[in-house]
Amino acid sequence: DAGVIQSPRHEVTEMGQEVTLRCKPISGHNSLFWYRQTMMRGLELLIYFNNNVPIDDSGMPEDRFSAKMPNASFSTLKIQPSEPRDSAVYFCASSLNGPPGGVGNQPQHFGDGTRLSIL
Amino acid sequence: QQPVQSPQAVILREGEDAVINCSSSKALYSVHWYRQKHGEAPVFLMILLKGGEQKGHEKISASFNEKKQQSSLYLTASQLSYSGTYFCGTEKTSGAGSYQLTFGKGTKLSVIP
Repeated sequence: DAGVIQSPRHEVTEMGQEVTLRCKPISGHNSLFWYRQTMMRGLELLIYFNNNVPIDDSGMPEDRFSAKMPNASFSTLKIQPSEPRDSAVYFCASSLNGPPGGVGNQPQHFGDGTRLSIL
Repeated sequence: QQPVQSPQAVILREGEDAVINCSSSKALYSVHWYRQKHGEAPVFLMILLKGGEQKGHEKISASFNEKKQQSSLYLTASQLSYSGTYFCGTEKTSGAGSYQLTFGKGTKLSVIP
C-alpha cells in the first residue's frame, strides 16, 4: 500500500512568494495532520483535520498560513507571503481514528516531508 | 504543553542498554513513541494506553505510568540500526478526544560499534 505522499520534496523560493505544499493521505484514513519541524522547536502540530473538517488550527503560526482539505484524498498547506523564518521541514501525517471523543489509539503515518527554504 | 524527554542525547556501544524518559505535566490518555533517522520521516514504534502497561517491539519495550504522567522507552542489546532520534508524543486527557499529539523535543541515540 502507498504511504502518505507529499510534494514537493524540496522547495526553495524567495521571501514574499506564495508556497503551496501538498499531501495525499493513506487511502481510508480519516485524520490528517500537518506538522512543522525545526531544530529549535522540534515537531509542532500546525493543524488537524478529521473527516476533511479542520478540528484544531491553534498551531498555525499566523494568518499567512492556511490549510485546506477539499476531499478525503488531498490536503494543501499554503504560506502567503513566505518569510525566511518559515524555513523548516513540513510533514503531513494520517491515521484512522474514531469520532471525536474517543481515544487516539491509532498510529500516525508520516510522509517523507517537504524541506522548505525561504531565501 | 510539550512533554519533557530525557536524556537529550546518549551514545551507546553495540549491545548496551538505554532508557529514554518522557514526562508530562498534564494527565494523559496515551503515549506514542516514534523513531526518526536523519533526513527521514518519523516512524511509529508503539502506543501505550493503560497505566503500567508495557508493550514491546523487537528488543524495544516501553511502559506508561498514568499516575506519574510519564513513559519510559527501554532499548536492550542495542544495534547499529537503533540510531536515530526518539520522540514521545502525548495525547492529553480531554473531553474533546481530538487525537492530537504533542511531541517532545526528542532524544538523539547514537549506537557505535
